[in-house]
Amino acid sequence: GENVEQHPSTLSVQEGDSAVIKCTYSDSASNYFPWYKQELGKRPQLIIDIRSNVGEKKDQRIAVTLNKTAKHFSLHITETQPEDSAVYFCAASESGGGADGLTFGKGTHLIIQP
Amino acid sequence: GAGVSQSPSNKVTEKGKDVELRCDPISGHTALYWYRQSLGQGLEFLIYFQGNSAPDKSGLPSDRFSAERTGGSVSTLTIQRTQQEDSAVYLCASSQEYTQYFGPGTRLTVL
Repeated sequence: GENVEQHPSTLSVQEGDSAVIKCTYSDSASNYFPWYKQELGKRPQLIIDIRSNVGEKKDQRIAVTLNKTAKHFSLHITETQPEDSAVYFCAASESGGGADGLTFGKGTHLIIQP
Repeated sequence: GAGVSQSPSNKVTEKGKDVELRCDPISGHTALYWYRQSLGQGLEFLIYFQGNSAPDKSGLPSDRFSAERTGGSVSTLTIQRTQQEDSAVYLCASSQEYTQYFGPGTRLTVL
């Protein structure tokens, strides 16, 4: 089955700086890679996703890059703000989930220092 | 529109008791997923329903866990003879295509 590794487990950055979170996956058949943000006590919320037919996707301050050859993908947050503080999870799957669901990384606790 | 809802939000039970968790997916979403999130951990996939089709139960942690989905909509996850290691947040998600939308979860505490 799929295995997703996520690094770092904790990331502290100064407000206004950029943050980068990296994930690797094992199953070359995976073709859908979402990123979720989870604030304390809240549900995971999708912030951006990418399919394997593109290498990069951007939405305002958030971007995701995908390297299918190396089987890794990364989340980039620019001009970080206090409200970006949360736990971020990457995930991978074939076709959005199906019978295998999403396979998640263990999460990155992002701390924005004022 | 209404998002995914789950009930109860919190459940405290004694070891050995059975519990039933409920999920109401977004109207019109044919796919429904259950995940488990232990303290400080990522999400662990449990089971998937597509419409009224019989699910693949191989992801369930043990035979004490079962799930059903009635009429292709509401789903219940049942844990029999609960153990302390079952304590976690149980999250439900629904989707129409790729994107999975999560409910708020049920926090289960087994004493």
